[in-house]
Amino acid sequence: GENVEQHPSTLSVQEGDSAVIKCTYSDSASNYFPWYKQELGKRPQLIIDIRSNVGEKKDQRIAVTLNKTAKHFSLHITETQPEDSAVYFCAAKDTGRRALTFGSGTRLQVQP
Amino acid sequence: EAQVTQNPRYLITVTGKKLTVTCSQNMNHEYMSWYRQDPGLGLRQIYYSMNVEVTDKGDVPEGYKVSRKEKRNFPLILESPSPNQTSLYFCASSTFADTEAFFGQGTRLTVV
Repeated sequence: GENVEQHPSTLSVQEGDSAVIKCTYSDSASNYFPWYKQELGKRPQLIIDIRSNVGEKKDQRIAVTLNKTAKHFSLHITETQPEDSAVYFCAAKDTGRRALTFGSGTRLQVQP
Repeated sequence: EAQVTQNPRYLITVTGKKLTVTCSQNMNHEYMSWYRQDPGLGLRQIYYSMNVEVTDKGDVPEGYKVSRKEKRNFPLILESPSPNQTSLYFCASSTFADTEAFFGQGTRLTVV
């Protein structure tokens, strides 16, 4: 099955700085890579996703890049704000089981 | 309002006492799944269902059962709960496995 590793587990940045979270996956046939944000005490919510036929996708201050050859994808947040503080999860769709496998999460703290 | 509803939100029970956590969605989604969230381990899939009467094991199915008799409902059953099933549980639904997943509010279960 799919295995997704996520780094770092915690990340602290100053407001206005950029933040980068990286994930690697094991199943070369995986074709869907979403990112979810979970604020404290809340449910996870999708913030951006990318499919394997695209190398990069942007949505305002958030971007995701995908390197299929190296089997890794990254979340980039620019001009971070205190409200970006949350736990972020990457995931990859396991083509064999038609299921999402999540990374272990990154706790992002944006210091004002 | 489009939503996924789980009940109960909080539950404290004793070892061996059967319990059911309900999950209902009003978006006519085909795909539903259950996850457990534990510190440092991210979201791990317990079971998923691709449609009515079609269910399959996720990464951590031991000690759990599910059923999908109706499209909108996907209950999680713990027939004989044990303390290692103390966790935060999330139900999620989506059109397909590789589209946006909408999560319920979560159920915090404590087994003593």
